[in-house]
Amino acid sequence: GAGVSQSPSNKVTEKGKDVELRCDPISGHTALYWYRQSLGQGLEFLIYFQGNSAPDKSGLPSDRFSAERTGGSVSTLTIQRTQQEDSAVYLCASSIPTGRARFSTDTQYFGPGTRLTVL
Amino acid sequence: AQSVTQPDIHITVSEGASLELRCNYSYGATPYLFWYVQSPGQGLQLLLKYFSGDTLVQGIKGFEAEFKRSQSSFNLRKPSVHWSDAAEYFCAVGAGAWGGSQGNLIFGKGTKLSVKP
Repeated sequence: GAGVSQSPSNKVTEKGKDVELRCDPISGHTALYWYRQSLGQGLEFLIYFQGNSAPDKSGLPSDRFSAERTGGSVSTLTIQRTQQEDSAVYLCASSIPTGRARFSTDTQYFGPGTRLTVL
Repeated sequence: AQSVTQPDIHITVSEGASLELRCNYSYGATPYLFWYVQSPGQGLQLLLKYFSGDTLVQGIKGFEAEFKRSQSSFNLRKPSVHWSDAAEYFCAVGAGAWGGSQGNLIFGKGTKLSVKP
């Protein structure tokens, strides 16, 4: 079946511009995660959506970052007033919780990522 | 706070040789542990995971990992490496607390594997 898809695959923008990154999770997966992968910082958690619950935004690095998930499916990560340090690969993952209390037990399936370059 | 350490940034092995990639974690309770692989230009692919039970876990592509609670380790092994195994390998621990809503993974910095012919 189809995996997690992300678009665009590459995005080059100028400093100060806003960007939107899109993630289409695997159909039926109620949990969706955004991560950032950058040199020197490795893979960092950004935000997590689970069903209709309030998202866990604890990993967002600043208020320039926001994300929404419409209809419990597609998610958009928005970065306002981009800075050069925002350059990274942004990865999306989805999973389907199995009803246990610890959601982290559920396998996360990753998309190919969006490479963002801020000039 | 939970953390994952992969002490080796880069490892080079000869094709056909055995491989062990190290991973140490810091976590207060029984950890849920994962190994992912990332080939150049590709997304992360799950190799294997440990939740409970048998401490030796078998994964895809001939990989296995052993959970050792006394050493807080979850090392990845493969008896004979193939050139196609050249990639970056990430160890991760599930961050969720019992009954909590946090579901993200905490990753190590990764180990890049090069394979010599």
